[in-house]
Amino acid sequence: ETGVTQSPTHLIKTRGQQVTLRCSSQSGHNTVSWYQQALGQGPQFIFQYYREEENGRGNFPPRFSGLQFPNYSSELNVNALELDDSALYLCASSGGTGDGYTFGSGTRLTVV
Amino acid sequence: AQSVSQHNHHVILSEAASLELGCNYSYGGTVNLFWYVQYPGQHLQLLLKYFSGDPLVKGIKGFEAEFIKSKFSFNLRKPSVQWSDTAEYFCAVTTSGSGTYKYIFGTGTRLKVLA
Repeated sequence: ETGVTQSPTHLIKTRGQQVTLRCSSQSGHNTVSWYQQALGQGPQFIFQYYREEENGRGNFPPRFSGLQFPNYSSELNVNALELDDSALYLCASSGGTGDGYTFGSGTRLTVV
Repeated sequence: AQSVSQHNHHVILSEAASLELGCNYSYGGTVNLFWYVQYPGQHLQLLLKYFSGDPLVKGIKGFEAEFIKSKFSFNLRKPSVQWSDTAEYFCAVTTSGSGTYKYIFGTGTRLKVLA
């Protein structure tokens, strides 16, 4: 197992900019989810992709968007960054049966 | 709306003390229940999970949790904590809707174990 890897590990952006975060799923996993973990909070579900299609979304605005590629790796894009977008962004992959996800170490995004 | 509540935000214990962290969820349907741990600077790791069957679930590192359906609870326990258990603990549930399994996490409990 290679686990879930995310890049970059840390990122600083200016308000109004756009950012792309990347995630490589664990080998054999076809489902990937993204979560936002603000300081002192539990992770909040952003959206989920299954075989390149978005199949679930949390309470996040459309400026949060994503992609899943044929190799099941994924991107999270955030447009028009706001200060409140500062958080740890977690990617998690699964075999798609709801029996548990493998999480990456996250990308720490700071918006100034 | 579904939610998960963890009532203890910060817990401080001495080594060898017993641990119980509370978790309650609100959802009337079928759920899968999880406890995750996040050690300082590391990613979330699965401690244990419950899907069905014996409501007392044993996980890694001596942790266990009991599902009490009537109380909508899934409390985490360990008889004797160690300094290395210092971490943040998250309770989570997954619910299924149209094939999407999304986690609903609690806000976490930060445990500090004093040597």
